[in-house]
Amino acid sequence: DVKVTQSSRYLVKRTGEKVFLECVQDMDHENMFWYRQDPGLGLRLIYFSYDVKMKEKGDIPEGYSVSREKKERFSLILESASTNQTSMYLCASDPVGRGYSNQPQHFGDGTRLSIL
Amino acid sequence: AQKVTQAQTEISVVEKEDVTLDCVYETRDTTYYLFWYKQPPSGELVFLIRRNSFDEQNEISGRYSWNFQKSTSSFNFTITASQVVDSAVYFCALSEAGTALIFGKGTTLSVSS
Repeated sequence: DVKVTQSSRYLVKRTGEKVFLECVQDMDHENMFWYRQDPGLGLRLIYFSYDVKMKEKGDIPEGYSVSREKKERFSLILESASTNQTSMYLCASDPVGRGYSNQPQHFGDGTRLSIL
Repeated sequence: AQKVTQAQTEISVVEKEDVTLDCVYETRDTTYYLFWYKQPPSGELVFLIRRNSFDEQNEISGRYSWNFQKSTSSFNFTITASQVVDSAVYFCALSEAGTALIFGKGTTLSVSS
């Protein structure tokens, strides 16, 4: 069965810290995504990766970077965490690469990040 | 530009009631895809259905049914005889061919016993 695993369900960090959110998928999927979910705003795309070392900015990339050194792992990095980055972060993947595929995405359980 | 509107922020029903979740979309493309996802309290979004713009057939899957109407740009979702386990946040989403998925803001459904 399809599995997307996010390293932490809950995380508390301090303002100014460098924060890493990790996501691993075991389905050999090409595409991976990071979303941010906030009440009343739905899900918003932060970054998208369609291959190892390849990435594209989503709607709200400011304050974030990503890393994809291996196909199965996609990391979201908060370079200097700020309180307005307190949110739920969701990782997803889909099987068709080389660009947005319009295929159903498989999601992880989410990481609820609090920045104090 | 693409847009998805879920006008109902929260809906509360009692078990066994039928409930319809509304989704209205905007797109200028002729080829596009519509999705529904369910997010239970555990947090993981679960894919429910995908429909492409050329297939206007309604679909039924158990207690779930979907009504796609291009004339009104709507893709509504009905749960028949709701159950407590249906309590979740439901998201409608849209993607044009080769573009990112755009989500609505979600509808929180609460089903009480």
